[in-house]
Amino acid sequence: SAVISQKPSRDICQRGTSLTIQCQVDSQVTMMFWYRQQPGQSLTLIATANQGSEATYESGFVIDKFPISRPNLTFSTLTVSNMSPEDSSIYLCSVGGQGTGEAFFGQGTRLTVV
Amino acid sequence: SQQGEEDPQALSIQEGENATMNCSYKTSINNLQWYRQNSGRGLVHLILIRSNEREKHSGRLRVTLDTSKKSSSLLITASRAADTASYFCATVITGNQFYFGTGTSLTVIP
Repeated sequence: SAVISQKPSRDICQRGTSLTIQCQVDSQVTMMFWYRQQPGQSLTLIATANQGSEATYESGFVIDKFPISRPNLTFSTLTVSNMSPEDSSIYLCSVGGQGTGEAFFGQGTRLTVV
Repeated sequence: SQQGEEDPQALSIQEGENATMNCSYKTSINNLQWYRQNSGRGLVHLILIRSNEREKHSGRLRVTLDTSKKSSSLLITASRAADTASYFCATVITGNQFYFGTGTSLTVIP
């Protein structure tokens, strides 16, 4: 199993500003995943973060808007840049189980942009 | 999109009753998983069923998988108020690529 500490748990931000979300895993993992969950919706994968290389972004998400860092095998950050009210969502980081197939999630960051 | 569709979108039952939710998907999968989410928090893994399995049990949970129909169902027996949450299916095609369904919001009335 993996335990993920994600912070902040929630924030209210002004439009035009940026917020950096942090995820710390209690074990070394190759890939970390960032998801967005818009109100009442399912999870949408934003990007996959590999240590030592550029993150891989899914269609509809770009690095300028969602820059990601992955400095080591236990830590990653996602920045939501130049925020607008449409960015109000829950953001979740995730890692895959080592051999178990299941995914483990942080507790999520509930972002409200006003 | 590879995202699965779940139905119903919302389900309200009395405590003690069984709850059934369904998931349909579009492509061949390696495995299918069910997750639970309480009040917009992180997701918790419930059960995994592989593409060569047809049924799996875990406590009060029963999952079926029909790969010919590209569908799965999650049955929660003898529901409790604490089962109130949103439930998501996730299809896994390769490695760590998860595609989450639209979710079912379950309310169990005490």
